[in-house]
Amino acid sequence: AQSVTQPDIHITVSEGASLELRCNYSYGATPYLFWYVQSPGQGLQLLLKYFSGDTLVQGIKGFEAEFKRSQSSFNLRKPSVHWSDAGEYFCAVGGDYGQNFVFGPGTRLSVLP
Amino acid sequence: ETGVTQTPRHLVMGMTNKKSLKCEQHLGHNAMYWYKQSAKKPLELMFVYSLEERVENNSVPSRFSPECPNSSHLFLHLHTLQPEDSALYLCASSQDRDRQPHNEQFFGPGTRLTVL
Repeated sequence: AQSVTQPDIHITVSEGASLELRCNYSYGATPYLFWYVQSPGQGLQLLLKYFSGDTLVQGIKGFEAEFKRSQSSFNLRKPSVHWSDAGEYFCAVGGDYGQNFVFGPGTRLSVLP
Repeated sequence: ETGVTQTPRHLVMGMTNKKSLKCEQHLGHNAMYWYKQSAKKPLELMFVYSLEERVENNSVPSRFSPECPNSSHLFLHLHTLQPEDSALYLCASSQDRDRQPHNEQFFGPGTRLTVL
Protein backbone atom coordinates (compact mmCIF):
# COMPACT_ATOMS: atom_id res chain seq x y z
CA ALA A 1 0.00 0.00 0.00
CA GLN A 2 1.10 3.52 -0.65
CA SER A 3 2.15 6.00 2.03
CA VAL A 4 3.07 9.66 2.21
CA THR A 5 5.33 11.55 4.58
CA GLN A 6 5.66 15.27 5.04
CA PRO A 7 8.72 15.84 7.21
CA ASP A 8 7.87 19.39 8.24
CA ILE A 9 5.02 19.80 10.70
CA HIS A 10 5.08 23.59 10.76
CA ILE A 11 6.90 26.15 8.62
CA THR A 12 6.97 29.91 9.08
CA VAL A 13 8.07 32.23 6.30
CA SER A 14 7.96 35.95 5.74
CA GLU A 15 5.68 37.37 3.10
CA GLY A 16 7.57 37.63 -0.17
CA ALA A 17 10.00 34.86 0.71
CA SER A 18 10.28 31.66 -1.27
CA LEU A 19 8.70 28.43 -0.07
CA GLU A 20 9.36 24.74 -0.45
CA LEU A 21 7.24 22.07 1.22
CA ARG A 22 8.53 18.54 1.18
CA CYS A 23 6.64 15.39 0.32
CA ASN A 24 7.95 11.84 0.05
CA TYR A 25 5.87 8.91 -1.03
CA SER A 26 6.09 5.17 -1.10
CA TYR A 27 4.41 3.33 -3.94
CA GLY A 28 5.45 0.40 -6.10
CA ALA A 29 4.22 1.68 -9.42
CA THR A 30 3.80 5.05 -11.09
CA PRO A 31 2.10 7.25 -8.53
CA TYR A 32 -0.53 9.86 -9.06
CA LEU A 33 0.43 12.79 -6.87
CA PHE A 34 -1.52 15.75 -5.57
CA TRP A 35 -1.09 18.82 -3.41
CA TYR A 36 -4.03 20.29 -1.53
CA VAL A 37 -4.33 23.32 0.73
CA GLN A 38 -6.80 23.76 3.57
CA SER A 39 -7.59 27.21 4.86
CA PRO A 40 -8.91 27.51 8.42
CA GLY A 41 -12.45 26.15 8.70
CA GLN A 42 -12.52 25.11 5.08
CA GLY A 43 -12.29 21.97 3.02
CA LEU A 44 -9.32 21.01 0.89
CA GLN A 45 -8.58 22.79 -2.37
CA LEU A 46 -6.53 21.14 -5.09
CA LEU A 47 -3.39 23.11 -5.99
CA LEU A 48 -1.90 20.80 -8.60
CA LYS A 49 -1.56 17.20 -9.69
CA TYR A 50 0.91 14.93 -11.45
CA PHE A 51 -0.18 11.96 -13.51
CA SER A 52 2.52 11.59 -16.17
CA GLY A 53 4.64 13.58 -18.60
CA ASP A 54 6.55 16.70 -17.62
CA THR A 55 7.87 16.27 -14.10
CA LEU A 56 7.50 19.97 -13.31
CA VAL A 57 3.84 20.71 -12.74
CA GLN A 58 2.26 24.14 -12.57
CA GLY A 59 -0.72 24.76 -10.37
CA ILE A 60 -2.98 27.52 -9.20
CA LYS A 61 -1.96 30.53 -7.12
CA GLY A 62 1.60 30.46 -8.49
CA PHE A 63 2.51 27.07 -7.03
CA GLU A 64 4.56 24.42 -8.78
CA ALA A 65 5.80 20.96 -7.85
CA GLU A 66 8.48 18.70 -9.19
CA PHE A 67 8.22 14.94 -9.36
CA LYS A 68 11.53 13.19 -8.75
CA ARG A 69 11.19 9.47 -9.12
CA SER A 70 14.74 8.74 -7.94
CA GLN A 71 14.02 10.50 -4.65
CA SER A 72 10.36 9.47 -4.35
CA SER A 73 9.58 13.11 -3.81
CA PHE A 74 7.02 15.63 -4.96
CA ASN A 75 7.99 18.92 -3.35
CA LEU A 76 5.82 22.01 -3.61
CA ARG A 77 7.36 25.40 -4.32
CA LYS A 78 6.38 29.01 -4.65
CA PRO A 79 8.85 31.81 -5.41
CA SER A 80 7.08 34.51 -3.39
CA VAL A 81 4.62 33.73 -0.62
CA HIS A 82 1.54 35.84 0.04
CA TRP A 83 -0.17 36.20 3.40
CA SER A 84 -3.22 34.42 1.96
CA ASP A 85 -1.13 31.28 1.41
CA ALA A 86 -1.24 30.49 5.13
CA GLY A 87 -2.94 27.18 5.83
CA GLU A 88 -2.43 23.46 6.02
CA TYR A 89 -0.85 21.77 3.02
CA PHE A 90 -1.44 18.12 2.24
CA CYS A 91 0.37 15.90 -0.18
CA ALA A 92 -1.56 12.87 -1.42
CA VAL A 93 -0.85 9.83 -3.54
CA GLY A 94 -3.30 7.71 -5.49
CA GLY A 95 -2.75 4.42 -7.21
CA ASP A 96 -4.55 1.78 -9.16
CA TYR A 97 -8.21 1.16 -8.64
CA GLY A 98 -9.01 -0.06 -5.17
CA GLN A 99 -6.20 1.90 -3.60
CA ASN A 100 -7.65 5.28 -2.93
CA PHE A 101 -6.04 8.45 -1.90
CA VAL A 102 -3.56 8.41 0.94
CA PHE A 103 -2.90 11.79 2.48
CA GLY A 104 0.22 12.89 4.25
CA PRO A 105 -0.03 14.31 7.78
CA GLY A 106 0.12 17.88 6.50
CA THR A 107 2.42 20.85 6.91
CA ARG A 108 1.10 24.00 8.53
CA LEU A 109 2.32 27.17 6.85
CA SER A 110 2.39 30.45 8.73
CA VAL A 111 3.20 33.68 6.90
CA LEU A 112 4.69 36.66 8.72
CA PRO A 113 3.86 40.17 7.51
CA GLU B 1 -25.05 26.03 -5.42
CA THR B 2 -21.81 24.86 -6.91
CA GLY B 3 -19.15 22.40 -5.91
CA VAL B 4 -19.57 20.23 -2.85
CA THR B 5 -21.78 21.38 0.01
CA GLN B 6 -22.11 19.95 3.50
CA THR B 7 -24.72 20.49 6.17
CA PRO B 8 -24.68 21.24 8.97
CA ARG B 9 -21.38 23.08 9.25
CA HIS B 10 -21.30 22.59 13.01
CA LEU B 11 -22.95 19.95 15.15
CA VAL B 12 -22.90 19.30 18.87
CA MET B 13 -24.46 16.08 20.07
CA GLY B 14 -24.65 13.89 23.12
CA MET B 15 -23.51 10.32 23.13
CA THR B 16 -27.07 9.01 23.03
CA ASN B 17 -28.24 11.20 20.16
CA LYS B 18 -28.84 10.20 16.57
CA LYS B 19 -27.93 12.69 13.88
CA SER B 20 -27.05 12.73 10.19
CA LEU B 21 -24.53 14.62 8.13
CA LYS B 22 -25.43 15.53 4.59
CA CYS B 23 -23.24 16.05 1.55
CA GLU B 24 -24.34 17.15 -1.90
CA GLN B 25 -22.20 17.54 -5.00
CA HIS B 26 -23.17 19.66 -7.98
CA LEU B 27 -20.30 18.57 -10.23
CA GLY B 28 -21.83 15.61 -12.02
CA HIS B 29 -19.38 13.23 -10.36
CA ASN B 30 -20.08 9.57 -9.76
CA ALA B 31 -17.92 8.84 -6.73
CA MET B 32 -18.23 10.27 -3.22
CA TYR B 33 -16.15 9.93 -0.06
CA TRP B 34 -16.32 10.51 3.67
CA TYR B 35 -13.15 11.48 5.52
CA LYS B 36 -12.48 12.09 9.19
CA GLN B 37 -9.99 14.79 10.12
CA SER B 38 -8.89 14.77 13.76
CA ALA B 39 -6.40 17.09 15.36
CA LYS B 40 -2.81 16.01 14.78
CA LYS B 41 -3.81 12.95 12.76
CA PRO B 42 -3.75 12.36 9.03
CA LEU B 43 -6.95 12.42 7.05
CA GLU B 44 -8.72 9.11 7.45
CA LEU B 45 -10.76 7.72 4.58
CA MET B 46 -13.97 6.28 6.03
CA PHE B 47 -16.19 5.34 3.12
CA VAL B 48 -16.12 5.37 -0.66
CA TYR B 49 -19.14 5.15 -2.93
CA SER B 50 -18.61 4.70 -6.65
CA LEU B 51 -21.67 4.59 -8.89
CA GLU B 52 -23.74 4.53 -5.69
CA GLU B 53 -22.20 1.28 -4.47
CA ARG B 54 -19.95 1.17 -1.46
CA VAL B 55 -16.54 0.01 -2.61
CA GLU B 56 -14.43 0.42 0.47
CA ASN B 57 -15.05 0.51 4.19
CA ASN B 58 -11.90 1.03 6.18
CA SER B 59 -13.00 -0.77 9.32
CA VAL B 60 -15.06 2.14 10.56
CA PRO B 61 -17.10 1.48 13.73
CA SER B 62 -20.72 0.57 13.12
CA ARG B 63 -21.88 3.68 14.95
CA PHE B 64 -21.13 5.41 11.63
CA SER B 65 -23.51 4.38 8.88
CA PRO B 66 -23.24 5.82 5.35
CA GLU B 67 -26.00 6.13 2.82
CA CYS B 68 -25.75 7.10 -0.83
CA PRO B 69 -29.23 7.31 -2.36
CA ASN B 70 -27.95 8.72 -5.67
CA SER B 71 -24.73 9.99 -7.21
CA SER B 72 -25.30 13.53 -5.94
CA HIS B 73 -26.07 12.87 -2.29
CA LEU B 74 -24.20 11.22 0.53
CA PHE B 75 -25.21 10.90 4.16
CA LEU B 76 -23.40 9.83 7.29
CA HIS B 77 -25.76 8.63 10.00
CA LEU B 78 -24.41 8.89 13.52
CA HIS B 79 -25.60 7.09 16.65
CA THR B 80 -24.19 6.47 20.11
CA LEU B 81 -20.98 8.28 19.31
CA GLN B 82 -18.05 8.67 21.65
CA PRO B 83 -16.18 11.85 22.57
CA GLU B 84 -13.19 10.66 20.54
CA ASP B 85 -15.39 10.84 17.44
CA SER B 86 -15.26 14.62 17.67
CA ALA B 87 -13.59 15.78 14.49
CA LEU B 88 -14.06 17.56 11.18
CA TYR B 89 -15.91 15.29 8.76
CA LEU B 90 -15.14 16.03 5.14
CA CYS B 91 -17.03 14.93 2.11
CA ALA B 92 -15.44 14.73 -1.33
CA SER B 93 -16.43 13.73 -4.83
CA SER B 94 -14.62 12.72 -8.01
CA GLN B 95 -15.31 11.48 -11.48
CA ASP B 96 -14.55 7.79 -11.41
CA ARG B 97 -13.62 6.98 -15.01
CA ASP B 98 -13.06 3.37 -15.90
CA ARG B 99 -12.85 2.57 -12.22
CA GLN B 100 -9.60 4.55 -11.87
CA PRO B 101 -9.58 6.56 -8.66
CA HIS B 102 -6.65 8.79 -9.43
CA ASN B 103 -8.79 11.65 -10.58
CA GLU B 104 -8.69 14.54 -8.18
CA GLN B 105 -11.20 14.80 -5.40
CA PHE B 106 -13.18 17.95 -4.72
CA PHE B 107 -13.90 18.63 -1.08
CA GLY B 108 -16.73 20.23 0.80
CA PRO B 109 -16.10 22.63 3.71
CA GLY B 110 -16.70 19.93 6.32
CA THR B 111 -18.91 19.46 9.36
CA ARG B 112 -17.28 20.22 12.70
CA LEU B 113 -18.69 17.58 15.05
CA THR B 114 -18.42 17.76 18.83
CA VAL B 115 -19.58 14.81 20.92
CA LEU B 116 -20.24 15.61 24.56
